[in-house]
Amino acid sequence: NAGVMQNPRHLVRRRGQEARLRCSPMKGHSHVYWYRQLPEEGLKFMVYLQKENIIDESGMPKERFSAEFPKEGPSILRIQQVVRGDSAAYFCASSLQGDLDEQYFGPGTRLTVT
Amino acid sequence: AQSVTQPDIHITVSEGASLELRCNYSYGATPYLFWYVQSPGQGLQLLLKYFSGDTLVQGIKGFEAEFKRSQSSFNLRKPSVHWSDAAEYFCAVVPSDNTGKLIFGQGTTLQVKP
Repeated sequence: NAGVMQNPRHLVRRRGQEARLRCSPMKGHSHVYWYRQLPEEGLKFMVYLQKENIIDESGMPKERFSAEFPKEGPSILRIQQVVRGDSAAYFCASSLQGDLDEQYFGPGTRLTVT
Repeated sequence: AQSVTQPDIHITVSEGASLELRCNYSYGATPYLFWYVQSPGQGLQLLLKYFSGDTLVQGIKGFEAEFKRSQSSFNLRKPSVHWSDAAEYFCAVVPSDNTGKLIFGQGTTLQVKP
């Protein structure tokens, strides 16, 4: 059973471009969380999705950021018009049942904005 | 304000020595408590968790943690550290009124001297 997969592992974008980060949860998991880790900081919750639904997006910046988890395919975190401050590691985690069920983390996508 | 605090940003111990990493939380009700480890360039792995019951919990890799309600603490311990334990350690909580999203402390980087 493959773990949580994220791609790309490293992504370089120029200011103003779009970044698309993908997360494939563990098989059978329908709950996905996205977290952001800024340099020298802990992880910060961004958004919690269940298949086709956004459950909690209280950690998402109000502009330029969006997330989806379609019925088929991976979850996507999209950042439009990236700025240098978006440079960070973005982790997704999946769980089987949500709530207090264990979250399994992917290896992360390291986004660098030049 | 609700928060999770790891007072020690960086700790160095000798191989074979004991280890204690501190974690304090500030929430109205007792949250659900977790410790994660992150090796360089990797995602997070769950070491142990506390929901209720016995306040001393055992985890993987020889780690344990003790919940102390009176001190709002959940410190991580290991009797004898191995060089492979060098990593970053995160304390996290899921507030008792929450959807399962993890709130992380700032992290403690552990260095192990030979």
